[in-house]
Amino acid sequence: QVQLRESGPRLVKSSETLSLTCTVSGGSISSSHYYWSWIRQPTGKGLEWIGRIGARGSTNYNPSLKSRVTISVDTSKNHFSLRLSSVTAADTAVYYCASAEASVMEDWGPGILVTVSS
Amino acid sequence: DIQMTQSPSSVSASVGDRVTITCRASQGVHSWLAWYQQKPGKAPELLIYSTSILHSGVPSRFSGSGSGTDFTLTISSLQPEDFATYYCQQTNTFPLTFGPGTKVDI
Repeated sequence: QVQLRESGPRLVKSSETLSLTCTVSGGSISSSHYYWSWIRQPTGKGLEWIGRIGARGSTNYNPSLKSRVTISVDTSKNHFSLRLSSVTAADTAVYYCASAEASVMEDWGPGILVTVSS
Repeated sequence: DIQMTQSPSSVSASVGDRVTITCRASQGVHSWLAWYQQKPGKAPELLIYSTSILHSGVPSRFSGSGSGTDFTLTISSLQPEDFATYYCQQTNTFPLTFGPGTKVDI
């Protein structure tokens, strides 16, 4: 079991880029067992998978966001990151990071609410 | 994308009740189906993966079944801490997709 925590700006202006970091503790982000995922949840709504990255940097993205999303990993800092460009109000959500064995999200961070302002 | 639906969208139940939640996939996902529990203001927590395997520490009153496109989550005897929203997720195909959730309340 690993612990994860999201960090980054909680307020982003419309058309700018949302940037979040997920710090992993209790395990190595280099582990070949895991993929590192981002999921988001608009207030009062369901869960949307954004994408994931493997320890060696291989990525999979949700096609609905693919043109705007970049997920990267920094093994030296044991963290991974999300960048979402050209944000709008529709991107306002709680953003979660999670560790996944295959595609099952085993451990989750507490989440961070990011609001896009006009 | 594989669309996931859940029924009911909400259910009112009492402590000790047996609760069953259904999840349906728009295409077959074999047994690649997971269930999560989410309490208000908290992150989801993994309950079950591969349709019926309980995640470590999950009480045995939770069980899952199904295959292909139709799946169920059953809580055999509802406990006070089980009042929450439950989501299914297919883990078979990218993009990974979740059901809309089922809220279990009093």
